[in-house]
Amino acid sequence: AQKVTQAQTEISVVEKEDVTLDCVYETRDTTYYLFWYKQPPSGELVFLIRRNSFDEQNEISGRYSWNFQKSTSSFNFTITASQVVDSAVYFCALRPFLMNYGGSQGNLIFGKGTKLSVKP
Amino acid sequence: DTGVSQDPRHKITKRGQNVTFRCDPISEHNRLYWYRQTLGQGPEFLTYFQNEAQLEKSRLLSDRFSAERPKGSFSTLEIQRTEQGDSAMYLCASSPEVLLNTGELFFGEGSRLTVL
Repeated sequence: AQKVTQAQTEISVVEKEDVTLDCVYETRDTTYYLFWYKQPPSGELVFLIRRNSFDEQNEISGRYSWNFQKSTSSFNFTITASQVVDSAVYFCALRPFLMNYGGSQGNLIFGKGTKLSVKP
Repeated sequence: DTGVSQDPRHKITKRGQNVTFRCDPISEHNRLYWYRQTLGQGPEFLTYFQNEAQLEKSRLLSDRFSAERPKGSFSTLEIQRTEQGDSAMYLCASSPEVLLNTGELFFGEGSRLTVL
């Protein structure tokens, strides 16, 4: 089965706190892509990052960092020194590689999202 | 062209009526996707076009749903005989055609449908 689980439905933090959003995925493929998207109140999903399954290097982009661990099928997202503008729903998504050939080329599999509220 | 645009942003209709949503993708993108998102859930894939060809339809896309992209540019999603269960946000996304498309999608702000 192809599945993405975001166990945290809602998280509330105070500004400047660090926060980690968890993502666990399931796939039969040995090659796949993982994504994080941000959905602010306006509704538009904004792409944050893509990782290939064969590249387990962690990545840092400003206050954002991602920890990809194939052994535990997890792709967690950490925001350091959170700000009010980080308040949004964050989605983790999976795209199995085999979907590139013959099968689904459109199907990103999303988790249910984690709503992050950052209070001043 | 600054992004994917969708129209209307909000639609309220009575059960049994037909509704149509329009999506204008980023101009150089030849792939276009429709997703549906209900409250508290992540987006769910509905259908996908490459140029004017509809290449895939999800099982979520019942017979009452039809999507078109006649000239490979904008797309429409029509829902006939709407039901209350159709109430959702309908998201459109586009992407360029690149070798081994890795799935980064550019989303519009969505069209919210409320069926009374």
